[in-house]
Amino acid sequence: EAAVTQSPRNKVAVTGGKVTLSCNQTNNHNNMYWYRQDTGHGLRLIHYSYGAGSTEKGDIPDGYKASRPSQENFSLILELATPSQTSVYFCASGDWGVYAEQFFGPGTRLTVL
Amino acid sequence: GDSVTQKQGQVTLSEDDFLFINCTYSTTTYPTLLWYVQYPGQGPQLLLKVTTANNKGISRGFEATYDKGTTSFHLQKASVQESDSAVYFCALVDVQGGRALIFGTGTTVSVSP
Repeated sequence: EAAVTQSPRNKVAVTGGKVTLSCNQTNNHNNMYWYRQDTGHGLRLIHYSYGAGSTEKGDIPDGYKASRPSQENFSLILELATPSQTSVYFCASGDWGVYAEQFFGPGTRLTVL
Repeated sequence: GDSVTQKQGQVTLSEDDFLFINCTYSTTTYPTLLWYVQYPGQGPQLLLKVTTANNKGISRGFEATYDKGTTSFHLQKASVQESDSAVYFCALVDVQGGRALIFGTGTTVSVSP
């Protein structure tokens, strides 16, 4: 069954450290997305990608970088983690269909101390 | 830019009660409106999609309707069950942003037996 997986599922980092969140999809979708979920904000778009080698800024990209080395993999990188980046991060994949259904991974809970 | 507003943060019901959740949206393009549901420890999953073509979507006993005049869309279910306890998000497809999703802030629905 097609799926989106994320690793790690939980991560504790220190302020100023580097954090990499990984996402893998077996849906063969062109588009991939990174969102963060915070109480009172719903899910907000950080970065997205149209395919291997492409990354685009979403609504809240500051402090984050993204990398799409292949169709299947999409990473979110926090070069200098800050406590304000404590959140739950979701990766999703989707394609260009009319209804734009996106399939989400299980999420990564990141705590920055 | 495009936006979605979802004001009901929490809804508490008993089994067999009627559920109604309302969202409003703002966009300059043709809207594609979606409802996602999120269960504890999981990523959001698509529940229903609504387009102006049919103005209504139905799935798993849930019904989604759309009102262009008031730029609002609604999710309802005639008789909820305890298993419907979850967080429900309305979402708008951002056609300018790689077909990413613009989410409402979510409504936590708690159903007691």
